[in-house]
Formats: sequence, C-alpha cells, structure tokens
Amino acid sequence: GAGVSQTPSNKVTEKGKYVELRCDPISGHTALYWYRQSLGQGPEFLIYFQGTGAADDSGLPNDRFFAVRPEGSVSTLKIQRTERGDSAVYLCASSLGGQGNTGELFFGEGSRLTVL
Amino acid sequence: LAKTTQPISMDSYEGQEVNITCSHNNIATNDYITWYQQFPSQGPRFIIQGYKTKVTNEVASLFIPADRKSSTLSLPRVSLSDTAVYYCLVGPMDSSYKLIFGSGTRLLVRP
Repeated sequence: GAGVSQTPSNKVTEKGKYVELRCDPISGHTALYWYRQSLGQGPEFLIYFQGTGAADDSGLPNDRFFAVRPEGSVSTLKIQRTERGDSAVYLCASSLGGQGNTGELFFGEGSRLTVL
Repeated sequence: LAKTTQPISMDSYEGQEVNITCSHNNIATNDYITWYQQFPSQGPRFIIQGYKTKVTNEVASLFIPADRKSSTLSLPRVSLSDTAVYYCLVGPMDSSYKLIFGSGTRLLVRP
C-alpha cells in the first residue's frame, strides 16, 4: 500500500501478557518512529529508527518496552508483562529521513491496545 | 526542544475563517514550525510548515512574525470536516527530526 500500515488495529490482552505491534512504513522511508497516545492527549514519542538502528529511544518508558527494525523496513514494538497503564493507541510514522528529510512524518492509523 | 502553548479548544461555524495561534517563546534559530491535524481514530496528518513570514498551501496559511515567538494557523472557510485536533510543533528539521506533540487545540466546527 501507499501509506504506513499497522497491525493489529486492535489488540485486547490480559495484564502480564506479552504483546507485539507491527509497523510497515512507506517504501523508501529510512526513518521510522513509534508514538503512544492516550485518550485526550497528544502523541508521546517513544523511539526513532534511522535505518536498522535505534537512533533515539529516550521515550521508551521502561525496560518492558523494546522495538526492533532488523532489515531497516518493518518494525515491531514489543511490550513485556503488560500493565493496565499500557493501554493506549500506538502510532507508527515514517519519513524520508537523512538528507531527504522534509520534516513531514506520515502516520499510520495506529494499533489500539487494551490491557484488561 | 522549544515548548509550545496553544488554546485547548476553539469553536467556529461553517464558512468562517479560523485562526489558531501558537506561542513558542524559546524557539531556536534552526527550528521550524509545523502544524499537524488529527481526526478521531486516525494518526496525525501534516498540514503546513514554515520558518518565517508567510506560507500558504491548498489547505491553510501559516503566519510567522519576525520574532518567530508565535505562529498562527489560518483555515479559510472551514467546513464540518475540519473538526479535529490541531497540533503546533517546533523543532529542527535535521536528519534526526523528532516531533514532540503537546495537547493540541480541539476545533469544533458547527453547522
């Protein structure tokens, strides 16, 4: 597809379980971002990839959260031992990055995570 | 990164012009000003970006005074479909461009 694709669109899990959220960025975009958005709030930065490496993971709230992008395209956000406070919409975005950066991020529709 | 302040909410009517002002007193020399729009159940969408003076595209205009300590997003002749949250962001447009969102302005357009 032409846009950023995120799966699943909705995920309901129980406290303590492990969750993976997937992001497929726009083809050719080297930069990839994960954000988290709680109800009524703006998106909160989690992590930024340039290529395969995490250039900035300062937004990850704790060591239960981890993200990978092994081939510089698809990324997976992994959450261990989920807690009710992890419930939110997880947004992925991509951009040209590097010298081609225009400052415009393209967001997916998000994955809504509900931890019961 | 410079902090931004914008109204929590605004109301308007169809056909009116809407101006949303954002304050960014600590903007740095290499910072750009970017506005995003977000509809319910969707990710934010880029609207417009500028550095100084005025920028216009098919969707909106962005006015930036000489001191760059504020900016105004202008939406001409709004329609019901412009009801959304609008975010003002400030940051350097370098290779590690990272957007920091605030709470945004909730615009409600009434018939």
